[in-house]
Amino acid sequence: AQSVTQPDIHITVSEGASLELRCNYSYGATPYLFWYVQSPGQGLQLLLKYFSGDTLVQGIKGFEAEFKRSQSSFNLRKPSVHWSDAAEYFCAVGVRYSGGGADGLTFGKGTHLIIQP
Amino acid sequence: NAGVTQTPKFQVLKTGQSMTLQCAQDMNHEYMSWYRQDPGMGLRLIHYSVGAGITDQGEVPNGYNVSRSTTEDFPLRLLSAAPSQTSVYFCASSYSREREKLFFGSGTQLSVL
Repeated sequence: AQSVTQPDIHITVSEGASLELRCNYSYGATPYLFWYVQSPGQGLQLLLKYFSGDTLVQGIKGFEAEFKRSQSSFNLRKPSVHWSDAAEYFCAVGVRYSGGGADGLTFGKGTHLIIQP
Repeated sequence: NAGVTQTPKFQVLKTGQSMTLQCAQDMNHEYMSWYRQDPGMGLRLIHYSVGAGITDQGEVPNGYNVSRSTTEDFPLRLLSAAPSQTSVYFCASSYSREREKLFFGSGTQLSVL
């Protein structure tokens, strides 16, 4: 069975500083990996996804993530955070769906990002 | 464009009561799903549907029923509410060929006393 671990429950970063959120996955085959963001009182929004190819993927809002198979990791990064980045971030792993894309997403427990002025 | 609409936003039930959480989308998405979000647990899949008339169970289906009579609607039914079902419920939808790009509703906060 697939699983996702986000080791950090809370992360505090100063505005303008760089950010890295950690994600480790467990999956027997080639994983399909995702990062979602949840703003307060809202549903989740897809930030970026990795299926194959280039291990560094770019997403929306200036985020990027790097897939490292040897470390079973898919960490999310941003060079300079803004106060509006304060939110809950979820890493997820999915299985390949024959019709295209991924299915059966398993989410991590989330990392709460706090931005200090 | 409304996207995914969930009603109600808040609900308080007594143990044993039944209710239906409504979910509607106007994007003509084939794929719809229900998740529950609990503190420290992340999101867990309850039920999902790949099209009208087709539903299947997710990770935590017990105590919940679903049906999909139209492409637009995917209601979630609690037949006899229990305190363990206190949670925030999210409905999500996507195109079948891009299921990972889920569009989420704003959630329903349910408390069962």
